[in-house]
Amino acid sequence: GAGVSQSPSNKVTEKGKDVELRCDPISGHTALYWYRQSLGQGLEFLIYFQGNSAPDKSGLPSDRFSAERTGGSVSTLTIQRTQQEDSAVYLCASSSQGMDEKLFFGSGTQLSVL
Amino acid sequence: SQQGEEDPQALSIQEGENATMNCSYKTSINNLQWYRQNSGRGLVHLILIRSNEREKHSGRLRVTLDTSKKSSSLLITASRAADTASYFCATSRGMRFGAGTRLTVKP
Repeated sequence: GAGVSQSPSNKVTEKGKDVELRCDPISGHTALYWYRQSLGQGLEFLIYFQGNSAPDKSGLPSDRFSAERTGGSVSTLTIQRTQQEDSAVYLCASSSQGMDEKLFFGSGTQLSVL
Repeated sequence: SQQGEEDPQALSIQEGENATMNCSYKTSINNLQWYRQNSGRGLVHLILIRSNEREKHSGRLRVTLDTSKKSSSLLITASRAADTASYFCATSRGMRFGAGTRLTVKP
């Protein structure tokens, strides 16, 4: 696609529910990143994919968080049993190669856990 | 830490003035990148400087890199109200970002 696409743009859920966030990277980009940004804060790294594998998932905050990438393209970030502290903007970015190249960001998913 | 750390946290200037923000890091790097974020959503890449470069220009942006001090600076010259945004640095070691510098340019 022309850019990194994230869906949904906004998600409101109840505490305890599971949510899935989707990221569609730029076609041909092999590297994909997920970040989380709480209001007024910096970007918190969650996970990095190279192709379908995740050589760095050290940023996932708990075992309620998981992510996968299929076909070297679309990635989904799943949060199980959501908590209020999970409320944040979740940003996805992709780049054409590995960790050395510039990132293209999506517009993010605003997650609100009530 | 692999991430870049920006300072100051916030900067407020008048239109036409120059804005300088800094980034420090702790590990060896291949490159360092600066990004801008408007309204809390996606970041936009501004400039990439490689470890063998000391200075790079792009329009009104000037970036310097001092690998001996593990620091970089971003200078925005002749600032405009439209430059109001948060600015972040990230190093090639893990693409971690700091808390950013919130720049406000007053008309």
